[in-house]
Amino acid sequence: DGGITQSPKYLFRKEGQNVTLSCEQNLNHDAMYWYRQDPGQGLRLIYYSQIVNDFQKGDIAEGYSVSREKKESFPLTVTSAQKNPTAFYLCASRTGTDFYNEQFFGPGTRLTVL
Amino acid sequence: AQTVTQSQPEMSVQEAETVTLSCTYDTSESDYYLFWYKQPPSRQMILVIRQEAYKQQNATENRFSVNFQKAAKSFSLKISDSQLGDAAMYFCAYRSPDQKLVFGQGTRLTINP
Repeated sequence: DGGITQSPKYLFRKEGQNVTLSCEQNLNHDAMYWYRQDPGQGLRLIYYSQIVNDFQKGDIAEGYSVSREKKESFPLTVTSAQKNPTAFYLCASRTGTDFYNEQFFGPGTRLTVL
Repeated sequence: AQTVTQSQPEMSVQEAETVTLSCTYDTSESDYYLFWYKQPPSRQMILVIRQEAYKQQNATENRFSVNFQKAAKSFSLKISDSQLGDAAMYFCAYRSPDQKLVFGQGTRLTINP
């Protein structure tokens, strides 16, 4: 089955610790995205990558870091510099060849910082 | 910067009835895409329908249709014959030429049996 996986589904961390969220896709998509969703709000773009070894900041990149060493993987690290990291995080990917270029989403990771 | 506004935080409808969710957006671009996503309690984002700005014909997917008014920058979603499974958060999204999605704040839709 082709798709996007995010792990873990729930993640708990102590304040001040860095934590890395996993995002893997086997759709052979070129572009990948990380979004943050807070209660009652829409999604906000954190980082995105159009191609391997390249990525750009989104609207709320402060306190986050990413890497794109492989086409299939786009991990997100929430650093201790992120002032309010508790949120729901969604990863998405997009092919560069489909006419609509729609983004497909993973199931998300709920991060709670204690 | 592009913005997307959903002015209805919550809506409710009787099962089998029709409901319309509103969305307005702001952009200076002439060619772009608009989407409606559904987020059920599982929180998985599911694409409901999409519209290309250069197409005047409104998109339709089974019970879901849009009313796209380009000049007014309006993109409403109509759900006909509402079903219990339609209950979810609905997000309107604008895709910019650089392929980034901008989301509205969402509308929570409740279906009353």
